[in-house]
Amino acid sequence: QVQLVQSGAEVKKPGASVKVSCKASGYTFTGYYMHWVRQAPGQGLEWMGRINPNSGGTNYAQKFQGRVTMTRDTSISTAYMELSRLRSDDTAVYYCASQGVYWGQGTLVTVSS
Amino acid sequence: QSVLTQPPSASGTPGQRVTISCSGSSSNIGSNYVYWYQQLPGTAPKLLIYRNNQRPSGVPDRFSGSKSGTSASLAISGLRSEDEADYYCAAWDDSLSGHWVFGGGTKLTVL
Repeated sequence: QVQLVQSGAEVKKPGASVKVSCKASGYTFTGYYMHWVRQAPGQGLEWMGRINPNSGGTNYAQKFQGRVTMTRDTSISTAYMELSRLRSDDTAVYYCASQGVYWGQGTLVTVSS
Repeated sequence: QSVLTQPPSASGTPGQRVTISCSGSSSNIGSNYVYWYQQLPGTAPKLLIYRNNQRPSGVPDRFSGSKSGTSASLAISGLRSEDEADYYCAAWDDSLSGHWVFGGGTKLTVL
């Protein structure tokens, strides 16, 4: 069965960076876009961008341009999302989602001094 | 402010039929597929409807989706207590080099 398993919760200080991983199994990793979506506490879903695991090509939401980097390692079927210059309003649960169909369990990133 | 517009709340009694609307524009719903997600508290979103009206295997046929022009709707018939959740619509938007957009979510309460 398809599974997306994300890395564990992180606590970061303002200005730091965080890198979240998403390990895929049960399907051809390079066959489907991987999206990253976040959800602030009590808020809705917000698309951050996507990566084509086959080519490595990326599309980022305008809001995160310059702060987000999405990469992948096809040898271990894992996608990564790195967000830099963290602010308190980046506190959220970050999800990976393969083609919008299968979702990871989410990774809570807390930004606090 | 979400690109897709949903009512913040909806409610119904067990057995009733409820609908949740999702309004967009020509660059998103008007020209691309609509997806619906169900999110139970503390869990990841779960795909309910894809390509406007298709149900993944395992999703009961009580859930149905439709689309007309720049609007879409999710209908839930035979409402059950376990349907109480947040529901989100989503679509690809062709503007700004393309990006995924979501509705603000609708909190469904089963009375």
